[in-house]
Amino acid sequence: AQRVTQPEKLLSVFKGAPVELKCNYSYSGSPELFWYVQYSRQRLQLLLRHISRESIKGFTADLNKGETSFHLKKPFAQEEDSAMYYCALKTLRQLTFGSGTQLTVLP
Amino acid sequence: GAGVSQSPSNKVTEKGKDVELRCDPISGHTALYWYRQRLGQGLEFLIYFQGNSAPDKSGLPSDRFSAERTGESVSTLTIQRTQQEDSAVYLCASSLQGRGYNEGQFFGPGTRLTVL
Repeated sequence: AQRVTQPEKLLSVFKGAPVELKCNYSYSGSPELFWYVQYSRQRLQLLLRHISRESIKGFTADLNKGETSFHLKKPFAQEEDSAMYYCALKTLRQLTFGSGTQLTVLP
Repeated sequence: GAGVSQSPSNKVTEKGKDVELRCDPISGHTALYWYRQRLGQGLEFLIYFQGNSAPDKSGLPSDRFSAERTGESVSTLTIQRTQQEDSAVYLCASSLQGRGYNEGQFFGPGTRLTVL
């Protein structure tokens, strides 16, 4: 069965420091992965998709099939990046979400 | 509309009562999903509708849970004989097509259900 693991429930970094939110998955098929973000008092929204190989708000994520990982990275964190981040794996019909990481960027 | 809407935003009910939660997807979105999010946990898939196909109910936790969708519009999630463990935020999402995740799923604001 598919599974998405986000090992860190809470992560705090200082403004300007690099940040990496970890995501590991298990899936027998060809994976398609996403990062979703939920800012305070806002709805869950898509941040980026691995197939697009894009950078959104300075964040990037590279799919590593060997390590079955899709870590989210940003070289210089900003206070406005504080939010809940969810990694998600597309399977045949649905998205399987990790339990989320609450990122706090300290001033 | 501008996005996915859900109603009510909050619902407090007594154990044993039935509740109905509503979702209005983005117009034109053929796929609609329901998720449950318990406090401190990730999103748990409940059910998926795609056009006129039979819904994927594989995530429904018990037969007290059911959902309907009228065509490609409104969906209602019904929980019968609510239990305290049903307390959670229920999220609805829609997308252009079930298999076309390229644009991702668009989420509603959720309904916070509290069962006393």
